[in-house]
Amino acid sequence: DAGVIQSPRHEVTEMGQEVTLRCKPISGHNSLFWYRQTMMRGLELLIYFNNNVPIDDSGMPEDRFSAKMPNASFSTLKIQPSEPRDSAVYFCASSYRVWGSYSYNEQFFGPGTRLTVL
Amino acid sequence: AQSVAQPEDQVKVAEGNPLTVKCTYSVSGNPYLFWYVQYPNRGLQFLLKYITGDNLVKGSYGFEAEFNKSQTSFHLKKPSALVSDSALYFCAVREGSGGSYIPTFGRGTSLIVHP
Repeated sequence: DAGVIQSPRHEVTEMGQEVTLRCKPISGHNSLFWYRQTMMRGLELLIYFNNNVPIDDSGMPEDRFSAKMPNASFSTLKIQPSEPRDSAVYFCASSYRVWGSYSYNEQFFGPGTRLTVL
Repeated sequence: AQSVAQPEDQVKVAEGNPLTVKCTYSVSGNPYLFWYVQYPNRGLQFLLKYITGDNLVKGSYGFEAEFNKSQTSFHLKKPSALVSDSALYFCAVREGSGGSYIPTFGRGTSLIVHP
């Protein structure tokens, strides 16, 4: 398996523009996480999907951020409009959650998208 | 509520010396504990985990971690450090026994191994 795939790897945009980050989880995984990493705030969970359904989006900073998972093999994180404070590395991670048991599987992270908003 | 603390922002050791990266946690029930490593410009990579059983867990690249329930700690160790071990290390915890599936990550500890 190719692992978790994210695109683009780097994105430079101007304030006010729309940004769309993409993620392809590992085939067979049913849980997907979006994280944001900055020096100041460390690693922050933005949203968690299970079986394509958003379960916890309490980490989404504000209405400018939205995430979708239309099918098991694709997710997007959209920022509209983007602001300089959104500059960060955004990671997607996936795992396999076993229902009806105490699932303890680890997460597999993608390489990240480095977003710079000017 | 669950939380994890990595009390050291940075750890420096000489190559060939043993290394320890510290982690303490807090959960209501039994913990599931994880260590991840992040190399520059890469995503986090799983190293090892404790779920139950033997308190000493062995993982990738010669790393191991010791679960200590009384001290609520899960320190990462390696007997002999390599320069290539220099990276950012994250401890994570989630509550087992039906708790939240979402892990809480520490702030990370930068490990620097010098020749």
